[in-house]
Amino acid sequence: DGGITQSPKYLFRKEGQNVTLSCEQNLNHDAMYWYRQDPGQGLRLIYYSQIVNDFQKGDIAEGYSVSREKKESFPLTVTSAQKNPTAFYLCASSIDSPSNEQFFGPGTRLTVL
Amino acid sequence: AQTVTQSQPEMSVQEAETVTLSCTYDTSESDYYLFWYKQPPSRQMILVIRQEAYKQQNATENRFSVNFQKAAKSFSLKISDSQLGDAAMYFCAYRSAMDSNYQLIWGAGTKLIIKP
Repeated sequence: DGGITQSPKYLFRKEGQNVTLSCEQNLNHDAMYWYRQDPGQGLRLIYYSQIVNDFQKGDIAEGYSVSREKKESFPLTVTSAQKNPTAFYLCASSIDSPSNEQFFGPGTRLTVL
Repeated sequence: AQTVTQSQPEMSVQEAETVTLSCTYDTSESDYYLFWYKQPPSRQMILVIRQEAYKQQNATENRFSVNFQKAAKSFSLKISDSQLGDAAMYFCAYRSAMDSNYQLIWGAGTKLIIKP
């Protein structure tokens, strides 16, 4: 089945640690996105990538980093510079066209201990 | 910059009845796309319906339909014959057809409660 997978489902981080969230898609989509979701708010864009080896900052990129070495994969690293990383993180992908929907993964819940 | 506003943090409806969720947006562009996404308790985001701004006809998908008022910048979602499985957060989103990055601009969401 085609789709997007994210792992892990739940992640706990100690203060000062970097953690990496995985996102993989087998939909052959060029574009991939990372969103952060906080209670009572809509999704906020962290980073996006429209092609391999290229990515752009979204609205809240500070304290995060990404890579796009393969079309299928778009991992997100939450660094120790992110002061309030506890949130739900969603990865999405789409055909690189404005009319096309974004398909979402099941998400990762990150909690800082 | 474009913005999307969902003024109803929470709505409730009796099972089998009809409910309308509101969404307004602000843009100076004429060519764009609007989306309604559903996020059930599983938190998997799912597309409900999509509307192209250049189309005058309102989009429909089975029990889901929209009332797209371009001049008023309004994009409401109507759910007919509400079912228990419709209980979820509903997000309205805007995407410009002009920006090369095709970012989605999201509303804050409306929580829909279905009363049995």
